Amino acid sequence: GAGVSQSPSNKVTEKGKDVELRCDPISGHTALYWYRQSLGQGLEFLIYFQGNSAPDKSGLPSDRFSAERTGGSVSTLTIQRTQQEDSAVYLCASSLGLSRSSGNTIYFGEGSWLTVV
Amino acid sequence: AQSVAQPEDQVNVAEGNPLTVKCTYSVSGNPYLFWYVQYPNRGLQFLLKYITGDNLVKGSYGFEAEFNKSQTSFHLKKPSALVSDSALYFCAVRDSMDTGRRALTFGSGTRLQVQP
Repeated sequence: GAGVSQSPSNKVTEKGKDVELRCDPISGHTALYWYRQSLGQGLEFLIYFQGNSAPDKSGLPSDRFSAERTGGSVSTLTIQRTQQEDSAVYLCASSLGLSRSSGNTIYFGEGSWLTVV
Repeated sequence: AQSVAQPEDQVNVAEGNPLTVKCTYSVSGNPYLFWYVQYPNRGLQFLLKYITGDNLVKGSYGFEAEFNKSQTSFHLKKPSALVSDSALYFCAVRDSMDTGRRALTFGSGTRLQVQP
């Protein structure tokens, strides 16, 4: 696609429910990233995929958070048993593979706004 | 380890005046440096990056940034600010030596307010 696509754009869920957030990266981009941005705050790294594997998942805040990527394309971030502190914007980004240059630009989607009530 | 600091939470400037948004970084190897802009309720948009070469990098919307290795800085600049430049600006870094850490590390962001 032309850009990184995320869905849903907005999600309101009840505390304790599970949510799934989807990311469709730019066509041909093998690297995919998830970040979290709490209201008015900076960006918190969650997980990075190269192809279907996740070499760096150091930013996942708890075992309630998981992510997968299939076919080297679409990724899903799942939050189980949501808590109010999970309310944030979840940003997905993608870039070309990093085999040679880690200076490749990362392009962001518009984000999925999650509110846990 | 890689880190980046944006010392100003907010920068205020009058329209038509030059603007500077500050960024300093810390890496073990050579830095790859990026600037992004975020408009209200939107994702991040790429502005410019420094990988190697000329220390002055030109980017989108008339913005430029100067890489200063001795001061470990990468300040964002624009000669003449527009009201439409008002947004949240993020500096980001990746350490060329840290092959296990592929993601960008972002600063806390600086809110730019341009007054008419």
